[in-house]
Amino acid sequence: SQQGEEDPQALSIQEGENATMNCSYKTSINNLQWYRQNSGRGLVHLILIRSNEREKHSGRLRVTLDTSKKSSSLLITASRAADTASYFCATQGAQKLVFGQGTRLTINP
Amino acid sequence: GAGVSQSPRYKVAKRGQDVALRCDPISGHVSLFWYQQALGQGPEFLTYFQNEAQLDKSGLPSDRFFAERPEGSVSTLKIQRTQQEDSAVYLCASSPTRWGEKLFFGSGTQLSVL
Repeated sequence: SQQGEEDPQALSIQEGENATMNCSYKTSINNLQWYRQNSGRGLVHLILIRSNEREKHSGRLRVTLDTSKKSSSLLITASRAADTASYFCATQGAQKLVFGQGTRLTINP
Repeated sequence: GAGVSQSPRYKVAKRGQDVALRCDPISGHVSLFWYQQALGQGPEFLTYFQNEAQLDKSGLPSDRFFAERPEGSVSTLKIQRTQQEDSAVYLCASSPTRWGEKLFFGSGTQLSVL
């Protein structure tokens, strides 16, 4: 069963714009991670934010975590065509990583 | 170094056949996970190993699914008497940490049951 729910399910923007994806979850977590998946490929780890952190940056990525609302957001700034992919949030409690349904991001040139 | 390797990349099976999917994790990685991903969906957890010990198999859909990692390295996911609903991409991931922070995924095995 999926723990996280991403919103929106699909997002289409112009190259150079910022993309924001949201993730909500239900149970307490130790950390929350974001992954990217290009069509027909495995998932690639992007960033991890721990439950005691509120914001984290990595290059053009910015992740926020609000444990009181059980939600997280991923912001991709200055989007590029190569950012076109599916993005998944994944929550980790005791051990296993539980993924959401994903957001399909399309960057139009 | 090499990433996580899965074989075969594609597998077509007739309903009722047994299949075996192989995963070669990154050398030295302690944790190994199997996930099942249906088209357009997120990965669903199947099972988790820490070295050779299978610590969580709560996601295996039925007793037709069996996973092993006998020497704490290569893992095999076996599906007996395949059914059409078993058609999916099976993803393997490994992690250098005991608790699986930051998973490294293989490209998956796409299983089609006819």
